[in-house]
Parts: sequence; C-alpha cells; structure tokens
Amino acid sequence: GAVVSQHPSWVICKSGTSVKIECRSLDFQATTMFWYRQFPKQSLMLMATSNEGSKATYEQGVEKDKFLINHASLTLSTLTVTSAHPEDSSFYICSATEAGTGGHEQYFGPGTRLTVT
Amino acid sequence: GQQLNQSPQSMFIQEGEDVSMNCTSSSIFNTWLWYKQDPGEGPVLLIALYKAGELTSNGRLTAQFGITRKDSFLNISASIPSDVGIYFCAGLAYSGAGSYQLTFGKGTKLSVIP
Repeated sequence: GAVVSQHPSWVICKSGTSVKIECRSLDFQATTMFWYRQFPKQSLMLMATSNEGSKATYEQGVEKDKFLINHASLTLSTLTVTSAHPEDSSFYICSATEAGTGGHEQYFGPGTRLTVT
Repeated sequence: GQQLNQSPQSMFIQEGEDVSMNCTSSSIFNTWLWYKQDPGEGPVLLIALYKAGELTSNGRLTAQFGITRKDSFLNISASIPSDVGIYFCAGLAYSGAGSYQLTFGKGTKLSVIP
C-alpha cells in the first residue's frame, strides 16, 4: 500500500518552455501532497505543500508564479515549471500523506529528473 | 527554521558489519522517520517513530526516538550489499493550518564492501 507515482520519470526541455509533472497516489487518497526539489548530493528541500481544492503554500524563496501547483483531486497533484531555465534542472520529488489514518507519514514518489538545456 | 544534524555524512563498512547513524535537533519533533534513497529514486520509508523513548525494529533495522524528542538513531545489523544507499532522518512537526512538515537531515551515504 501507499504507492505514489510520478510522470514523467525524466524530461529534457529547452530553456523557456514549460514542463508539467504529475504526482498520483495509486492506492490511497491523499490529504496533502508535497513537492520537493533535490540537487545532486544534497538533501530534499520542500518547495510547497498543497491540500486538495486549496491553494498551495510555498516555502520562502520559492516563486509561486514559476512553480504552479494544482491539486485537483485527492489522488492527483501537478507541478508546472513555467519558462524553465537551466538552473531549474533538478530532481523533483512529490510525497503524499494518506487521508483518514490520523498519521502524517509522507510516502514519496520515484522522482522526476528535469534537465533544461 | 528547524535543522537536523545527521552523522556520519558517509561511511564504508565491510559486509556483515553493523552500522549506526544518528540525528540530533535543537527542536522537538512529534515523529521521527527514517528513509532510504537509492540513486535516481525517491526516498522509501523504513521506520516511523511516534513516541519519545520508542524503540522499533524492521527486520535488520532498529531505530529509537530519543527521550528528549530531539534525537534519533538508526542501526543496521549484519549489513549486506543491497543496504548501499543514502539514509535520511526526518523530523515531523506541526506547521500550522492543519499541516505537518518534514525536515530532513543531510543524509548518510552508506557503502558496503563485499
């Protein structure tokens, strides 16, 4: 149980284009979904927290107009990197907490590697 | 913000040896979690600790939630090659508006020599 998927696994795009990454909870409904970014050899850094049907809460220093988050249902959240630039190249990982269990453990997706050329 | 100090940063051990790593914090956490991350993958939850003083095992893994709620350790017994990876501790704390957030340690990179 508690499986989270991400799509795509890997994407290469040209500078200036936008990229959408999907995060799905496959066998549970997610109260909250989180988006992290991880640079090589570093730990995970929280970008934003989103609850279904609400606006995402962004961490300090993360541009909400650049990283658009849509949490349309209890099983799907999307992150759109708008007008991507090479410095946005990173490993993006989502996580989700299961609704109704009272627990707050986060289950992570397999990550999406974004390379902007 | 909250910070976790995780040590050691990396370690090389012989197959069959036991391993220990720990995390400390200046802040109190409600829950401590230990994750393992393989290259190019997302973190996988290994053990979750909910109460101060709690000692929990998962196969060859044992973790404890410190009595002060500011630290935790993870032990791996009789290491095997597939234990290779990066281990992260994470503290879970209430962040307001009904949300809980994870703060991650910087990770311990484990290498196992066959």
